Amino acid sequence: GNSVTQMEGPVTLSEEAFLTINCTYTATGYPSLFWYVQYPGEGLQLLLKATKADDKGSNKGFEATYRKETTSFHLEKGSVQVSDSAVYFCALSGNPSGSARQLTFGSGTQLTVLP
Amino acid sequence: DGGITQSPKYLFRKEGQNVTLSCEQNLNHDAMYWYRQDPGQGLRLIYYSQIVNDFQKGDIAEGYSVSREKKESFPLTVTSAQKNPTAFYLCASNHRDRGPEAFFGQGTRLTVV
Repeated sequence: GNSVTQMEGPVTLSEEAFLTINCTYTATGYPSLFWYVQYPGEGLQLLLKATKADDKGSNKGFEATYRKETTSFHLEKGSVQVSDSAVYFCALSGNPSGSARQLTFGSGTQLTVLP
Repeated sequence: DGGITQSPKYLFRKEGQNVTLSCEQNLNHDAMYWYRQDPGQGLRLIYYSQIVNDFQKGDIAEGYSVSREKKESFPLTVTSAQKNPTAFYLCASNHRDRGPEAFFGQGTRLTVV
């Protein structure tokens, strides 16, 4: 079955530091890959996505590249802000025959950015 | 504005009671999902539905039930058979045949007292 392995947290950085959160996946076929962000007490918001190999998703200064050869989708940001403090989830959407496009999630990485 | 609305935001349940969590979407999405989130963990799929009057069990369906009588609505009932129901519950939806990303509601935090 599908699975997502995500870098364990928590991660604590100083403002303007470089961020990397690692994500690798196991899936059959050609899944779509996502990063979601969750702020305290809220639902998940889509941060970025990539639907095929070598695609780069980007949003709000965050980037991730779909690497099929290494089955990875690492999240990066060059300069984090205090407002980036949240939990980040890597996810994939497979589309096996007969199934809806439900997402498989990693365990989440708590990011705290200090001023 | 289009979106997914979950209610209530907080819910308290006594031992042995059934409770129903509401999820409504006005995005005209075909598929809807219920996930459970426990502290420090990822999301686990409870039930999903691709079309009206049809739904499928996810990975942790025991102790839960759902219905899909309308395209816009996908309520989740947490029954007394669910032994550890305290959790954060998230509803999501997406198109069956368009972009694969799912959109989420704001969640319902259920606590057993």
